Amino acid sequence: EAQVTQNPRYLITVTGKKLTVTCSQNMNHEYMSWYRQDPGLGLRQIYYSMNVEATDKGDVPEGYKVSRKEKRNFPLILESPSPNQTSLYFCASSSLGGGAETQYFGPGTRLLVL
Amino acid sequence: SQKIEQNSEALNIQEGKTATLTCNYTNYSPAYLQWYRQDPGRGPVFLLLIRENEKEKRKERLKVTFDTTLKQSLFHITASQPADSATYLCALDMRDDKIIFGKGTRLHILP
Repeated sequence: EAQVTQNPRYLITVTGKKLTVTCSQNMNHEYMSWYRQDPGLGLRQIYYSMNVEATDKGDVPEGYKVSRKEKRNFPLILESPSPNQTSLYFCASSSLGGGAETQYFGPGTRLLVL
Repeated sequence: SQKIEQNSEALNIQEGKTATLTCNYTNYSPAYLQWYRQDPGRGPVFLLLIRENEKEKRKERLKVTFDTTLKQSLFHITASQPADSATYLCALDMRDDKIIFGKGTRLHILP
């Protein structure tokens, strides 16, 4: 089954404790992306990647890092989480970038930073 | 910078009627515009994509139009059903591989 998986689905952490949210897709997609969704602000793109070793900033990259060492994986790293990073995070992938093709979204990771 | 506005936060439509949702953008026209459905607590699900050189796209009860002069896309659900109740998001490309989303419209189909 074609899918995007994210782990963990729920995470409670404390300020400053480094964490990683994993994202994996099994569709051999070139393009992968991370979004955060907040009430009243909608979905905002954090980082995206056009291919292995090619990542770029979206609209809200501050406080986040990503890496793309393998085509299927695109982890999101919060080196020093802060309460304003409490949010619902979605990973997505598509065969082409820039909205040219369908984006498939993961189930989401709900993060609470205390 | 490019901005997107979706017509209203919430829309109530009687079952069986056509629901029409609006997505307006500023500045330059995107090469692609997409519509997604999102249910509470779940990831968005792709519905339709329309390209800048297309005026209209259909899929079953769904129709999307794209007017680059008005800088607007309309999303129609005909013969609406309570199961169509969800939040609908429009998204457009920034012509640089970035994607921006509107804040969404919560659609309620009333039985």
